[in-house]
Amino acid sequence: KAGVTQTPRYLIKTRGQQVTLSCSPISGHRSVSWYQQTPGQGLQFLFEYFSETQRNKGNFPGRFSGRQFSNSRSEMNVSTLELGDSALYLCASSSRASTGELFFGEGSRLTVL
Amino acid sequence: DQQVKQNSPSLSVQEGRISILNCDYTNSMFDYFLWYKKYPAEGPTFLISISSIKDKNEDGRFTVFLNKSAKHLSLHIVPSQPGDSAVYFCAAADYGGSQGNLIFGKGTKLSVKP
Repeated sequence: KAGVTQTPRYLIKTRGQQVTLSCSPISGHRSVSWYQQTPGQGLQFLFEYFSETQRNKGNFPGRFSGRQFSNSRSEMNVSTLELGDSALYLCASSSRASTGELFFGEGSRLTVL
Repeated sequence: DQQVKQNSPSLSVQEGRISILNCDYTNSMFDYFLWYKKYPAEGPTFLISISSIKDKNEDGRFTVFLNKSAKHLSLHIVPSQPGDSAVYFCAAADYGGSQGNLIFGKGTKLSVKP
């Protein structure tokens, strides 16, 4: 069974640009969550999607947005990039039938210059 | 306000000895707790979990203890092995309420020395 796939793995952007990250969940998983990992803050929850609907949202500005498609694939977008947006963005999927275990991808490493 | 706290950023243990990683939480509504392990350049992987109705859960060398009155949980690794060297994240969720997402601590970097 293929794991969670995130693309791209690495990318470099400049301030003011926007970026779109993609996540393909494990086959059959309908829930996709996004987390931001930075050295000082650990893993911070961005948002969760289930059946194309946003179920939960973390405490991030409106520049961070996401969506989920009918095949459960998800994208997140960050507009007007700031230096502080440099981080590892992790996507995780869940079947929701489990007792809370999330399966993480390897992440997309974003560097903002 | 940090709801899940891992107050030790790092821990060094000798191979074969016990590793004890600690985690405190503030939200009494949390009803499920998990530990994840993360190697560099990889995503976190699930290690072990515990429901709030239990106080202990074991899986091989890994045991998680939950003390609800103290809002504290710990992960014991016995015996510790060099391959256990990684960053360990504690996470909590309120699945009975509206907050179904996992809240993570900042992690503890475990180094197991041969």
